Amino acid sequence: DSGVTQTPKHLITATGQRVTLRCSPRSGDLSVYWYQQSLDQGLQFLIQYYNGEERAKGNILERFSAQQFPDLHSELNLSSLELGDSALYFCASSAGAGAVSDTQYFGPGTRLTVL
Amino acid sequence: GEDVEQSLFLSVREGDSSVINCTYTDSSSTYLYWYKQEPGAGLQLLTYIFSNMDMKQDQRLTVLLNKKDKHLSLRIADTQTGDSAIYFCAESMKYSGGGADGLTFGKGTHLIIQP
Repeated sequence: DSGVTQTPKHLITATGQRVTLRCSPRSGDLSVYWYQQSLDQGLQFLIQYYNGEERAKGNILERFSAQQFPDLHSELNLSSLELGDSALYFCASSAGAGAVSDTQYFGPGTRLTVL
Repeated sequence: GEDVEQSLFLSVREGDSSVINCTYTDSSSTYLYWYKQEPGAGLQLLTYIFSNMDMKQDQRLTVLLNKKDKHLSLRIADTQTGDSAIYFCAESMKYSGGGADGLTFGKGTHLIIQP
């Protein structure tokens, strides 16, 4: 158990809908990262928040957004969902701001299925 | 370049050593990670190595780094059925946003254990 929690574990929704995925980092960690794992694209970095502020962006679509709250939990919002958004979404956390030495610990993931 | 390459499958006999290979392309100082993903589970951090090191050993795991060839390997001694999983090589990368890092992952190597 990494100490990172994600809810829900599974989510099934329809195209065009909007969903929110939730992540709680390990106790004491200030950074939260979101990743998408799909069969065709593999594991891709989406976005990072550090202590409530956006720190880095990867391959995140404009239909997706995230935020980190004062209690350091984070939410990833996915809107206007398409079939291709079906994937496993991972949250990771790290203690620091995201230096190369900042080890990331992953949660169990949320499996999103868009029908 | 930002690609991390891994072979997709490796089959070994139980009790033998497994060697999973990875090549990376970033030439700057970086951390390189090995994660394990069991079916239906999240990513478990196995070990990591800084790019100025040649080797790191942790119980049954040995990481070897050839900086000249940008080649990383993970050796699992005395492979057991519980080692059956997907193994991901990952590299710390810098993304836009001022110095913070996401991880760039390979596609993962499926380790298959034969009895």
